[in-house]
Amino acid sequence: EPEVTQTPSHQVTQMGQEVILRCVPISNHLYFYWYRQILGQKVEFLVSFYNNEISEKSEIFDDQFSVERPDGSNFTLKIRSTKLEDSAMYFCASTIGTGEVSGYTFGSGTRLTVV
Amino acid sequence: SQKIEQNSEALNIQEGKTATLTCNYTNYSPAYLQWYRQDPGRGPVFLLLIRENEKEKRKERLKVTFDTTLKQSLFHITASQPADSATYLCALKHNQGGKLIFGQGTELSVK
Repeated sequence: EPEVTQTPSHQVTQMGQEVILRCVPISNHLYFYWYRQILGQKVEFLVSFYNNEISEKSEIFDDQFSVERPDGSNFTLKIRSTKLEDSAMYFCASTIGTGEVSGYTFGSGTRLTVV
Repeated sequence: SQKIEQNSEALNIQEGKTATLTCNYTNYSPAYLQWYRQDPGRGPVFLLLIRENEKEKRKERLKVTFDTTLKQSLFHITASQPADSATYLCALKHNQGGKLIFGQGTELSVK
């Protein structure tokens, strides 16, 4: 069964450093998303991406965050200057359409720890 | 304000019994509601989707109901097994927005 692949699985970074989280969505999917989950809390929406541009973003997704689809297969989330409160599991997801038929396919996540 | 609330406490069920999980929402007009399973340290896995004009959906041992008047969805697992132990998340997509909003999840333990 097709999977969404995320790398790395774990990332430890110092506060203030830049991190890039990588995702390979399912090949025929057209909509891409980033969500995050702080330990013990809800899965929270960050951003959605369609047709090479951001279609929606949350209040969390401020100027420190950016997304890119550099080569037609990878989908990346960049955090420019990490803060302690950015520590969380980051999940990439993709859908073939708007998710009304088969739901969202999530990756296994990247655990980001900011120290 | 908009809220999605699931059973706040963990649910402990005897093997073979039916588990029933609740998802209530306020101030949303969801086009559809989805249920996901999440295991520790893993991403959510899609289980079932039910649209606003559907009352019930089934898939193997799973059943979802959706009552837009009560603003509630119920998720049932019949003949529960220890392998069903996980956190179950409800998620909805607002009619006028594209993002999927999750509840906090209910932890189910089957023994």
